[in-house]
Amino acid sequence: NAGVMQNPRHLVRRRGQEARLRCSPMKGHSHVYWYRQLPEEGLKFMVYLQKENIIDESGMPKERFSAEFPKEGPSILRIQQVVRGDSAAYFCASSTPREGIHNEQFFGPGTRLTVL
Amino acid sequence: GENVEQHPSTLSVQEGDSAVIKCTYSDSASNYFPWYKQELGKRPQLIIDIRSNVGEKKDQRIAVTLNKTAKHFSLHITETQPEDSAVYFCAASIRVYGGGADGLTFGKGTHLIIQP
Repeated sequence: NAGVMQNPRHLVRRRGQEARLRCSPMKGHSHVYWYRQLPEEGLKFMVYLQKENIIDESGMPKERFSAEFPKEGPSILRIQQVVRGDSAAYFCASSTPREGIHNEQFFGPGTRLTVL
Repeated sequence: GENVEQHPSTLSVQEGDSAVIKCTYSDSASNYFPWYKQELGKRPQLIIDIRSNVGEKKDQRIAVTLNKTAKHFSLHITETQPEDSAVYFCAASIRVYGGGADGLTFGKGTHLIIQP
């Protein structure tokens, strides 16, 4: 009964490089959410995806950030041309409707991105 | 959009005493209120949640109360133990029957310290 998986757990990039973060939802879950957590702060919603579909990306910066959840494979959060301010922990969570209503979101272990 | 305020930012209690953490939300359409516990360097873990059709919910030493009129909800931990030390986050979102679920809006967190 694997939970939400994320990789890599730690990622170091230099300014201007690209960062790719992967998230595999819990088995049977078809909805994925990405959150960003800055040091000593709460989690900020970024984007909500279903398979092959972005439902809500209102929390994601318009520039340099993109997300996808293909029919096969994990969800990917992509950050192009990273800057120091992108250093944070990125968590994904997954959920699935039960009796027509979504319930708890289960979080992965996070990817800690450090931009040098 | 939704805004969630959480107080206090730090709470220190003697082992065995009770701890109360309070949150307010702004969007009257919010109807789902989970609480997460996050230990240092770990993923957020759901400890209890409540829906807007319920005023109170209890699970062993943990209880949550909700006042829809005042738009605030609280976490109560009784008989605190050293392992309760962590950061606690409240959150709010909208759950729609037959539809998707928007991302969680989190409070900034409360660092709970249990003094031996």
